[in-house]
Formats: sequence, structure tokens, C-alpha cells
Amino acid sequence: GAGVSQSPSNKVTEKGKDVELRCDPISGHTALYWYRQSLGQGLEFLIYFQGNSAPDKSGLPSDRFSAERTGGSVSTLTIQRTQQEDSAVYLCASSGGAGGGYEQYFGPGTRLTVT
Amino acid sequence: AQSVSQHNHHVILSEAASLELGCNYSYGGTVNLFWYVQYPGQHLQLLLKYFSGDPLVKGIKGFEAEFIKSKFSFNLRKPSVQWSDTAEYFCAVMSVNRDDKIIFGKGTRLHILP
Repeated sequence: GAGVSQSPSNKVTEKGKDVELRCDPISGHTALYWYRQSLGQGLEFLIYFQGNSAPDKSGLPSDRFSAERTGGSVSTLTIQRTQQEDSAVYLCASSGGAGGGYEQYFGPGTRLTVT
Repeated sequence: AQSVSQHNHHVILSEAASLELGCNYSYGGTVNLFWYVQYPGQHLQLLLKYFSGDPLVKGIKGFEAEFIKSKFSFNLRKPSVQWSDTAEYFCAVMSVNRDDKIIFGKGTRLHILP
């Protein structure tokens, strides 16, 4: 019944540290997306999981970024050796429930600040 | 690669003015089209969508959008805006049967003067 949830809601980290951001999609949704939202850049696509297919990683900005989705449900986005330019709001969305709907349902986001 | 262009980055209107926000995409195949809205401090939420059928789509809060295939456009319109429409609006495109990935435009910040 609940919507997409993300944790933590806010994360402040020092430059060079690794961070993990978590997304719990809506139960039964087959597709999961990660986006990055920063001022003036809109919604930047990062990575897309669809069912058991190999993820589309074409939007990941560097090899410091990785994501996994365990058991077709929860996803974790990991940023290694964070840089100040990684500061942004990281949004997760899911779609593709039983009715096959394509519209995405977004989580509240994780605001990442790298100092 | 597919892309989405929103021509207006920041729009300021007075209440009761008419609104049209432009959206163009680049993908020659079948598409699903969306407009999302993000009100200040809130999640992104779906405003309207086009999958097939009537190219004029009506959404919530009096918004509508028209899919013009020949122009690769999906412009958002509202005949008379309200102060509560102040928000950021995002156009999004899904390439059907290719990879079903959804790509967003950079967004348009709409500010309505009371």
C-alpha cells in the first residue's frame, strides 16, 4: 500500500567518503529508476532496472557510481569517493505494477551534501 | 539517443493568464509521453500522460497536452492559471518497445504572480 520510500532523507558526508542510498519501491512494481536532481539540470537519468533484465547503466556519470537491486525489490545506489559535484537530490521511482502501467511513482528523495 | 527539450526554463505569469509550456523529443519510434509536476517541497507527481488514441490529453487541475507526432511535440497548456500552479513542470518520454526507459527534460519553473 505504501508509496516509494527512500532513506536516508538527508545525508551529509565528507569528500572522499562512500555513501549508500536506499530505495524501497512499491510492492509488485517491476521497473525501478534512479535519477539525480540538481538546480538547473532537471532530472538526470542514472540507472534503470526492469525485471530480471540487465540494468541500463547508461546514465551513471562515472565508475564511482553503482547500483544494485536485490530480489527484484529494494535497490541501493552507491557512490564511492564522493566529490562536491555529487551533491544533489537523488530520486528513485518505480513503475509497472499488475496493470502494466508505465507512469512512475517517485519517492521523496535523498538530499546528499558533500562537504 | 533519445532526448527531451523543454524550451522555457523559467516562466512568470499573472493569475488568469493562459499557459503553454513547450516539449519536444527526439525518437522516431512509438512513444509514451508524460508531464510531471513538482510543487514546492513535494514529490514529483503525474499530471497527465499519453499512450495512444486521442492526441489531446486532459489531466488533473485543468491541464491538457497535445501530442503532435509530426512535430515530435507534447506541449502542456492551461487556459487560466492560478497562483497554486506555481511549481516545476517536467516533460518525459518513454521509447516503447525499445528499452522502455523514461527520459526527462530539464524542467520549467513556473511562477504565478497573485
